[in-house]
Amino acid sequence: GQSLEQPSEVTAVEGAIVQINCTYQTSGFYGLSWYQQHDGGAPTFLSYNALDGLEETGRFSSFLSRSDSYGYLLLQELQMKDSASYFCAVKNAGNMLTFGGGTRLMVKP
Amino acid sequence: GAVVSQHPSWVICKSGTSVKIECRSLDFQATTMFWYRQFPKQSLMLMATSNEGSKATYEQGVEKDKFLINHASLTLSTLTVTSAHPEDSSFYICSARARGRAAETQYFGPGTRLLVL
Repeated sequence: GQSLEQPSEVTAVEGAIVQINCTYQTSGFYGLSWYQQHDGGAPTFLSYNALDGLEETGRFSSFLSRSDSYGYLLLQELQMKDSASYFCAVKNAGNMLTFGGGTRLMVKP
Repeated sequence: GAVVSQHPSWVICKSGTSVKIECRSLDFQATTMFWYRQFPKQSLMLMATSNEGSKATYEQGVEKDKFLINHASLTLSTLTVTSAHPEDSSFYICSARARGRAAETQYFGPGTRLLVL
């Protein structure tokens, strides 16, 4: 089976940096993805890590450590529009995704 | 980027009726489509995977006779919730993936919110 753990809620202020962690237990791991979902909207793809290390895309970065079964999403220079739910997802051998429970990020002024 | 549409975006129906939700890939051929269900403040739970021209593969615990999936063309998949009951009220999201593309490149539709009275 597969399971992913991430915090249910995180609160931060505008302009700050926030890190959302994701730990996983899976049989067959090919990579870790991150998705953003605003309330009532579709999930949108943010990043994908197949190898260890940090991937940077603008204000967002994603990190993976395969040996620790751990990854995180780092959001810098937080903006109010970043308030959303963030999901990590593991890709398995069947080219399928299993999603974590999601982290609700609230950005305050 | 690739666009996936869903119709309708909102459905309110009486208990016992059937509801059909359409998922279309607008600018690419989707050989695989996924149907997810999401309850408020919860994760996306995969219900079934459909490949064009073949029967859908349902996840454990999902009743195939209740959630009928048809993927008749490379741009259209439909989910029919048969004899809907209040516990079927949820946010249904489809996603689509083109042939040979990796799992993380699936594109999500905007979702359909179903409320069964």
